[in-house]
Amino acid sequence: QQQVKQSPQSLIVQKGGIPIINCAYENTAFDYFPWYQQFPGKGPALLIAIRPDVSEKKEGRFTISFNKSAKQFSLHIMDSQPGDSATYFCAASGGAGGTSYGKLTFGQGTILTVHP
Amino acid sequence: KAGVTQTPRYLIKTRGQQVTLSCSPISGHRSVSWYQQTPGQGLQFLFEYFSETQRNKGNFPGRFSGRQFSNSRSEMNVSTLELGDSALYLCASSLEVGETQYFGPGTRLLVL
Repeated sequence: QQQVKQSPQSLIVQKGGIPIINCAYENTAFDYFPWYQQFPGKGPALLIAIRPDVSEKKEGRFTISFNKSAKQFSLHIMDSQPGDSATYFCAASGGAGGTSYGKLTFGQGTILTVHP
Repeated sequence: KAGVTQTPRYLIKTRGQQVTLSCSPISGHRSVSWYQQTPGQGLQFLFEYFSETQRNKGNFPGRFSGRQFSNSRSEMNVSTLELGDSALYLCASSLEVGETQYFGPGTRLLVL
């Protein structure tokens, strides 16, 4: 019940394309859903995060769409650039009484390649 | 403001040895979490500390332990190293529990 399933495992798009990465969760106690970007040799960096009280959040070229009833959320990258080539992770946290807020459960990651 | 720092950045050990990794959180951050990253298992939660107390622990054997000091700096220790412990160990800090977690660059551990 703690799993977060992420797809696809890898994604190749042309510059300017809109890659979409999807995640699904089972634990209905999750109430915080961040996305992280990781470049080789670096730690994950927070891109954008959403809570279930909104269905969409946009920050720059990055948009999260959230569907609470389906227990799914996705990341859209508008006007993708070669510099966006990285591994992207979705994550979730939360629990009854806030006991698990500091514990992020990650998806398996998506390797994104943006061709010039 | 300086980010999360982890030392050492790289480490090579042999089976059976023990290792201690260090994490200095962003100034003012009081919560520290540790994660293990491997190609096969991805990013897995190890433990979370706040005000020198372990709040949460992941599904790892007792060989994995940690602590947090009064200045919020944290260490994790792995005893009796196994080949499968080879991984990138990431530390993340946040202002308070449940706030955004900011990751350090990690310590890459290779067990031979």
